[in-house]
Amino acid sequence: GAVVSQHPSWVICKSGTSVKIECRSLDFQATTMFWYRQFPKQSLMLMATSNEGSKATYEQGVEKDKFLINHASLTLSTLTVTSAHPEDSSFYICSGGEGGIGEAFFGQGTRLTVV
Amino acid sequence: AQSVTQLGSHVSVSEGALVLLRCNYSSSVPPYLFWYVQYPNQGLQLLLKYTTGATLVKGINGFEAEFKKSETSFHLTKPSAHMSDAAEYFCAVSDRQGGKLIFGQGTELSVKP
Repeated sequence: GAVVSQHPSWVICKSGTSVKIECRSLDFQATTMFWYRQFPKQSLMLMATSNEGSKATYEQGVEKDKFLINHASLTLSTLTVTSAHPEDSSFYICSGGEGGIGEAFFGQGTRLTVV
Repeated sequence: AQSVTQLGSHVSVSEGALVLLRCNYSSSVPPYLFWYVQYPNQGLQLLLKYTTGATLVKGINGFEAEFKKSETSFHLTKPSAHMSDAAEYFCAVSDRQGGKLIFGQGTELSVKP
């Protein structure tokens, strides 16, 4: 199957700083990228959907000014957690798809810890 | 709107025993259904999916699931559990392939020796 490479796999940052998470589609063009958040022992919740070259669509309750998503190319999407706080500590996972043609493929996830 | 309910947050079976993980869905459009497995601190791996056609779907590692429209179910089974099957399993629904996924709460599978 296709590969989505997500980096970093884990990061620890200080409260108030920003963290950027990258997802790259290695062997296909990810016209659509989904960003999910998973709290410990819980399910994955969709945060936002981004399409290459356009603004992301955020799910209800997700702060778009806090979770900045950029999808400037067909192979790269980034999620920036701005002014991170301990409550933002979570597992973030991206998933890239070819715009509804095939299935979406998941990255390895990023464990964010804000101290 | 779509939703998924997984019955049982934790299932424990003995090695060699049948694995049955339950999933019921709600969808106002024909659903696309998926089962994923997640190992600790890792992403999700697709086990199998139902899109259209045959309602009995076979996946990787000996897993299979049957789409039952009348019961709005998509239960996951494996005839004989292996220790390596211990993981978290998620059922998900979408309105299309490559679309956003709505996940169930997850079921943690434990396999006893």
